[in-house]
Amino acid sequence: GQQLNQSPQSMFIQEGEDVSMNCTSSSIFNTWLWYKQDPGEGPVLLIALYKAGELTSNGRLTAQFGITRKDSFLNISASIPSDVGIYFCAGQGRGTDKLIFGTGTRLQVFP
Amino acid sequence: GAGVSQSPSNKVTEKGKDVELRCDPISGHTALYWYRQSLGQGLEFLIYFQGNSAPDKSGLPSDRFSAERTGGSVSTLTIQRTQQEDSAVYLCASSPFGGSSNQPQHFGDGTRLSIL
Repeated sequence: GQQLNQSPQSMFIQEGEDVSMNCTSSSIFNTWLWYKQDPGEGPVLLIALYKAGELTSNGRLTAQFGITRKDSFLNISASIPSDVGIYFCAGQGRGTDKLIFGTGTRLQVFP
Repeated sequence: GAGVSQSPSNKVTEKGKDVELRCDPISGHTALYWYRQSLGQGLEFLIYFQGNSAPDKSGLPSDRFSAERTGGSVSTLTIQRTQQEDSAVYLCASSPFGGSSNQPQHFGDGTRLSIL
């Protein structure tokens, strides 16, 4: 099935560092979502973006809906060990409820 | 609990057998989705139910896959004559409304299916 291009594929960082990951698509989306998935669990919604250019924060997380509607990024500031997991972007097009997911970014945080 | 509930959490079966996976959405959520996640991959859309409308089956990979949603609540995903490539985590999600109404989907913890 279709998947979004998400990068980087994995990151190994030290506690306290900032993290940035992004997603790109060949298609325009009306909604961008960012999820985090821990082992053995389903994805949990972190941030939802509904307008091109929108910049939204949730604690240490900040995400932006690209102005072209074809990309989005997620930043995590001052990382902590519990940030470890896999982060997925997801896009939703006009007139559909299907989510197209990115390939995921695996984040490891070392103390 | 108040979240999306899936059962079983793990299922191991022999190639060629049929399997049924169950999803209980969040109470009051009218939209229900099934996704498949292969090892190390993102989620792949399978099927979507919204109220009494005909389901969107465009993501089902073959006619061995089918799903039902009875009474607008519980859903069952059935895989007939399972193949080894069907091994994956099957995730269910629900949302209050459908139709691009800006209601995010909430996921269950999935059923890990292993075909021997």
